[in-house]
Amino acid sequence: DAGVTQSPTHLIKTRGQHVTLRCSPISGHKSVSWYQQVLGQGPQFIFQYYEKEERGRGNFPDRFSARQFPNYSSELNVNALLLGDSALYLCASSFSPQAYEQYFGPGTRLTVT
Amino acid sequence: KNEVEQSPQNLTAQEGEFITINCSYSVGISALHWLQQHPGGGIVSLFMLSSGKKKHGRLIATINIQEKHSSLHITASHPRDSAVYICAVLDDKIIFGKGTRLHILP
Repeated sequence: DAGVTQSPTHLIKTRGQHVTLRCSPISGHKSVSWYQQVLGQGPQFIFQYYEKEERGRGNFPDRFSARQFPNYSSELNVNALLLGDSALYLCASSFSPQAYEQYFGPGTRLTVT
Repeated sequence: KNEVEQSPQNLTAQEGEFITINCSYSVGISALHWLQQHPGGGIVSLFMLSSGKKKHGRLIATINIQEKHSSLHITASHPRDSAVYICAVLDDKIIFGKGTRLHILP
């Protein structure tokens, strides 16, 4: 059974541009969470979606948005990119929003120049 | 003060040494998660525990809920154990520590 998949693996963007990152959860998992991990730091929670609805949001500006599709895959969108948005973006899936066991994807490394 | 503190931040040891990584937290939790992150970035779940002790191969994780402290131990360490080890606590949200960078020398 495939694990959590994310695309693209790496991405280079310019300041001011927009980016869309994608995540496919493990089959049967209905909850997807997004995390940002800046170099040298632990991951920071951005969003959680469950059954296509936002269930939680971290302390990130409105430039960050996300959505979940009927097949439970998810997109993270970031507008007006800043240099500080350069990070590893991790997606994790779980069966339910209360599920303690989250399975992480390999991440998308975003570089903003 | 961070809600999840890990120590040490960096650790270099010789192959075969016994390794201990500590995690202290200040919030009420339902469970604690130990994760391993290799240089490529992917995160692997090692343990989820809410009490006592768990063992998997050369890895042992313990938690003391009253003291709000958990430890991850690696016995007979090997260079392939070199990675960043992250502690994460779970309640209504998940909070990650900054990680401990472990380097095992051959």
